[in-house]
Amino acid sequence: NAGVTQTPKFQVLKTGQSMTLQCAQDMNHEYMSWYRQDPGMGLRLIHYSVGAGITDQGEVPNGYNVSRSTTEDFPLRLLSAAPSQTSVYFCASSPRGQTLNTGELFFGEGSRLTVL
Amino acid sequence: GENVEQHPSTLSVQEGDSAVIKCTYSDSASNYFPWYKQELGKRPQLIIDIRSNVGEKKDQRIAVTLNKTAKHFSLHITETQPEDSAVYFCAASIGGSYIPTFGRGTSLIVHP
Repeated sequence: NAGVTQTPKFQVLKTGQSMTLQCAQDMNHEYMSWYRQDPGMGLRLIHYSVGAGITDQGEVPNGYNVSRSTTEDFPLRLLSAAPSQTSVYFCASSPRGQTLNTGELFFGEGSRLTVL
Repeated sequence: GENVEQHPSTLSVQEGDSAVIKCTYSDSASNYFPWYKQELGKRPQLIIDIRSNVGEKKDQRIAVTLNKTAKHFSLHITETQPEDSAVYFCAASIGGSYIPTFGRGTSLIVHP
């Protein structure tokens, strides 16, 4: 199993541009989520999904969209990039989301995004 | 929502010493408390977790304690080694959901 795969690993955007961070997992996990990591701020939840067709907002959802059309994929879209969105983004998955017993998170390698 | 406070932000110890990281949480309905370790440039990985019906859990040199009344939990690392150097994150579930809210992290430095 590849686990959780994120692409791209690095990206530089100009203010106002849009882009999509891709996340795929091959572990048949129901729960998937996106976090951003900023120095001294820990990991903050952006959006999450407990199964295909179900998404919900986390702590810092503004400026981001998600969709979950399949169990495997959970892309994160930046609609109009801003310098405040410069961060490292992590996708994470966990089994059994719909039963609310998600337990351990399995993280991707991260995507470093810089917005100029 | 859930608020998790973590202290200290930086912890420097000598090899062989013990290290303790403390966290508090605000949501009395939280029932799951994981700890993640993140080495420099790597992804976070779960090292130990505890559920609300347990007061203490050990795994070799690592232990976690939970005080639900006071709403705080701690990570204890004994006989620290240089490879323990990393950032450690505590987390508490949002209510009974198991979806974690993370603390801001503790940078542990173990000097040889």
